[in-house]
Amino acid sequence: EAGVTQFPSHSVIEKGQTVTLRCDPISGHDNLYWYRRVMGKEIKFLLHFVKESKQDESGMPNNRFLAERTGGTYSTLKVQPAELEDSGVYFCASSQDAGNTEAFFGQGTRLTVV
Amino acid sequence: ILNVEQSPQSLHVQEGDSTNFTCSFPSSNFYALHWYRWETAKSPEALFVMTLNGDEKKKGRISATLNTKEGYSYLYIKGSQPEDSATYLCAFYGSARQLTFGSGTQLTVLP
Repeated sequence: EAGVTQFPSHSVIEKGQTVTLRCDPISGHDNLYWYRRVMGKEIKFLLHFVKESKQDESGMPNNRFLAERTGGTYSTLKVQPAELEDSGVYFCASSQDAGNTEAFFGQGTRLTVV
Repeated sequence: ILNVEQSPQSLHVQEGDSTNFTCSFPSSNFYALHWYRWETAKSPEALFVMTLNGDEKKKGRISATLNTKEGYSYLYIKGSQPEDSATYLCAFYGSARQLTFGSGTQLTVLP
């Protein structure tokens, strides 16, 4: 069974440009999370989908970030326009039963804004 | 803002030593406590998901205990090996229905 996959693995963009990150969760996992790790610090929660609905988006830093999960399958995280401080590694995770079962992480997308 | 704290921040031990580290979390509105192992250049992998006060879980040389009343969990590694070197993350899941991670304990096992 395929794990959580993220695309692209790396992205280098200029300040002001737009980038879209994609996450394909494990099939059948209703719960999908986005996290990011900035400058080697701890992993910070961004948002949580249950199926196609945003359960909690309290971690989204500002309105330059937009996440979608149309159809409750894959999810995209768009940053528009990107700023320097958005650089970091963006992780996606999925789980079958929110909280009570382990979350499976993707390999992450390393975003560098120059 | 939920406070999930891990200590120590980093730890160096000799091969063969046993070690342990701590995760503290809110004792109210508790649903589950997760432990993950994160190797450099990889993604975090789950070690344990613990839900009941007094839970003890074991996987090989690694074990964990849970005290939900006082809000802490210990992770133990017996007979550390160089391949155990990684960052160990705990994550709290509560009534806010959000998995909140600690900053991790970075373990280095010296051969």
